[in-house]
Amino acid sequence: RKEVEQDPGPFNVPEGATVAFNCTYSNSASQSFFWYRQDCRKEPKLLMSVYSSGNEDGRFTAQLNRASQYISLLIRDSKLSDSATYLCVVGGYNKLIFGAGTRLAVHP
Amino acid sequence: NAGVTQTPKFQVLKTGQSMTLQCAQDMNHNSMYWYRQDPGMGLRLIYYSASEGTTDKGEVPNGYNVSRLNKREFSLRLESAAPSQTSVYFCASSEAGQARYGYTFGSGTRLTVV
Repeated sequence: RKEVEQDPGPFNVPEGATVAFNCTYSNSASQSFFWYRQDCRKEPKLLMSVYSSGNEDGRFTAQLNRASQYISLLIRDSKLSDSATYLCVVGGYNKLIFGAGTRLAVHP
Repeated sequence: NAGVTQTPKFQVLKTGQSMTLQCAQDMNHNSMYWYRQDPGMGLRLIYYSASEGTTDKGEVPNGYNVSRLNKREFSLRLESAAPSQTSVYFCASSEAGQARYGYTFGSGTRLTVV
């Protein structure tokens, strides 16, 4: 079993749609949680950290459920520029473990 | 611009050749990492250095060696390249060993072994 699992997608949505991605992780001792965004043939870039209380950054909302070992990312009012692969990332001591990513394609 | 710099950006090697991938960061980060990314596999950790003077194996260390030359630089060496090492290699750095602040990545090295 992979340490961090995500639905690979692709999720094909129209502009303006709301889309949600989910992720599960296996190590209950994990200490830090993130969503990264990766554009085609580019490096991953930090989108947002994820906290147990939930957190929001503009159109993006992230949630963490430690009991279920589950992380989510909600994107509201999707833009064409949101098209990318979204990586769920879980941190233990000293290193981060990356999910394989969920691909999002936003179309006009 | 401050960040993580990787060289080269592209490389083609013949099976059995050796090469070193270079990585340098100018953010005064303590920890540095080497990942490889293959289609459908996500990023897999090869080696990491929690602080200057230390290195540790990650998930897929076989066929690679690393050197933490100083606080800024962390290199990855392929002693005898194999086609299975064809991949995109990313170097990353973070402020603290506990990775609680996320990583900053370099732009990657696309390596093809023929």
